[in-house]
Amino acid sequence: QSVLTQPPSASGTPGQRVTISCSGSSSNIGSNTVNWYQQLPGTAPKLLIYSDNQRPSGVPDRFSGSKSGTSASLAISGLQSEDEADYYCAAWDDSLNGFVVFGGGTKLTVL
Amino acid sequence: QITLKESGPTLVKPTQTLTLTCAFSGFSLSSSGVAVGWIRQPPGKALEWLALIYWDDDKRYSPSLRSRLTITKDTSKNQVVLTVTNMDSVDTATYYCAHRGAAVGTMDYWGQGTLVTVSS
Repeated sequence: QSVLTQPPSASGTPGQRVTISCSGSSSNIGSNTVNWYQQLPGTAPKLLIYSDNQRPSGVPDRFSGSKSGTSASLAISGLQSEDEADYYCAAWDDSLNGFVVFGGGTKLTVL
Repeated sequence: QITLKESGPTLVKPTQTLTLTCAFSGFSLSSSGVAVGWIRQPPGKALEWLALIYWDDDKRYSPSLRSRLTITKDTSKNQVVLTVTNMDSVDTATYYCAHRGAAVGTMDYWGQGTLVTVSS
């Protein structure tokens, strides 16, 4: 069971805007920044959003992140077929000497 | 250009110790602030963070697996090694190593991963 809570699935049609939530606690999201990873089928995860809302070079601005309190969200606007993937949130957790916690992942289906 | 690549056995028997090597290039693990971590993913399941080693040899481990994990580095060889003791079928997973980014907890470059199966 993952420390961060994500919905197991999400879906949308091309062009739509979808959001994926990530819920944590005061020791992780509540006191540290959130990162999001995209994992296309059969590939390694790729950093999508870091520090709550920053995009690495090359990530389209259709992807955006936000955080409030102990929850975070990933939004994808102008949904495209190639966005069909698993999405994971992650954050540093300050408890027990510190470690990284992941969400359980959300499988995004483009209908 | 930062690259990482995992290597190790593809099959281990229950109770055995797994040793995985992460060979990297494009950065130095002796430079201040640099760190390399390990993450695994059982087939069809979520990512699970395992361990992280910093340039100054500071280490962090997943609390749930701490007693079974050891992470070390060989700066001269540009390698990081992860050992997992007492392997069980539930440890069957793809194991990834990754470079830690500037932001806390961020893993910005990942290896391709290596699938390890635990079976007698």
